[in-house]
Amino acid sequence: DAMVIQNPRYQVTQFGKPVTLSCSQTLNHNVMYWYQQKSSQAPKLLFHYYDKDFNNEADTPDNFQSRRPNTSFCFLDIRSPGLGDAAMYLCATDRTSFGGETQYFGPGTRLLVL
Amino acid sequence: DAKTTQPNSMESNEEEPVHLPCNHSTISGTDYIHWYRQLPSQGPEYVIHGLTSNVNNRMASLAIAEDRKSSTLILHRATLRDAAVYYCILRDGGAQKLVFGQGTRLTINP
Repeated sequence: DAMVIQNPRYQVTQFGKPVTLSCSQTLNHNVMYWYQQKSSQAPKLLFHYYDKDFNNEADTPDNFQSRRPNTSFCFLDIRSPGLGDAAMYLCATDRTSFGGETQYFGPGTRLLVL
Repeated sequence: DAKTTQPNSMESNEEEPVHLPCNHSTISGTDYIHWYRQLPSQGPEYVIHGLTSNVNNRMASLAIAEDRKSSTLILHRATLRDAAVYYCILRDGGAQKLVFGQGTRLTINP
């Protein structure tokens, strides 16, 4: 039973053309995260929502935005993708922000920028 | 965020135990020790976590040093499906995020 779902699994976009990646969860978790993972690197947190509160990481480029219209869904918008934005984008959820909680990850969306 | 140090890679044989070390000398009293793994082309997957005591679950065991400055993830009987990158992560009691290090790439030989 899929708990964190990401669509599509693969996304191809053109340089500078806005793209939206989506994530949904069936866990009813309060926290949703977006990570970027470039080839052969570890995942890097871009931002997260705790309920409706948005928390941006200090080094996340302005080109990346996010929306969370309800508990179940969260979107990652890349306003003007550059070649350097090609990566795997991972969505994750947490029940709360407690240090002993487990994060659940989706399978990721691999973004290719042409 | 407190840092962890792991070997870049390790190799083991199928059906043998694997001990994956992690050093975290700057760990604070409220940091939980988490392990996640990432199989090729998949999202990270939770393995185990602990605070002070050793922990066991169906996937693995976590042995935590008495001073908490190091820990070891133990896979009791490795299979080919355990080949993955294993991340040791410290997560503060009140923290909302995981900070991934470079992890250990585990190769399992048939």
